[in-house]
Amino acid sequence: QVQLQESGPGLVKPSETLSLTCTVSGGSISSYYWSWIRQPPGKGLEWIGYIYYSGSTSYSPSLKSRVTMSVDTSKNQFSLKLTSVTAADTAVYYCARWSYDNSGYYLEYWGQGTLVTVSS
Amino acid sequence: QIVVTQEPSFSVSPGGTVTLTCGLSSGSVSTTYYPSWYQQTPGQAPRTLIYSTNSRSSGVPDRFSGSILGNKAALTITGAQADDESDYYCVLYVGSGIYVFGGGTKLTVL
Repeated sequence: QVQLQESGPGLVKPSETLSLTCTVSGGSISSYYWSWIRQPPGKGLEWIGYIYYSGSTSYSPSLKSRVTMSVDTSKNQFSLKLTSVTAADTAVYYCARWSYDNSGYYLEYWGQGTLVTVSS
Repeated sequence: QIVVTQEPSFSVSPGGTVTLTCGLSSGSVSTTYYPSWYQQTPGQAPRTLIYSTNSRSSGVPDRFSGSILGNKAALTITGAQADDESDYYCVLYVGSGIYVFGGGTKLTVL
């Protein structure tokens, strides 16, 4: 069974960089697309972007200028960096895996989520 | 900026049928947007219910179904149960590798 686990600091200071890693177990990171999604407390879900195992990426236009995703196939991990954070970036951050079948793509596996608070 | 719209809240009686919708602030939703639906209970990660308009994810009961109704994507729950009380989010593929979540619908079963 594929499992995803987010890790990283739970507290980040304003204007600094938020860095998270998602570790994949029970399956290979290769041949799949991987996403980051976030959810501010009490609010809805927001798609941040995705990365293919080869390194190609797509980011939300609203976050594109501040987001970088990367993948490390040797460690079966992928990462998120979000620069110049503000309180508005306080959220639970989820990592997830896309799967594909004849009907199309879908987010099949999700991490449990990690809360990142932006505060001085 | 593309905005995906959902009803903020909805209620259904146990055993009843409810249809939640997912639209666009401008334009119509079609199958080319590959609408998908996710269920989330408090404190839990989302769970995929429906993808590519009407494909059910593994393990999802067939009382959950997806469709296009008029100019919106729709999620229909037939025979609602108490544990269907959750937040429901739709996601649309808007092209160029970009996905957009709707604001979510809080479903109450009472």
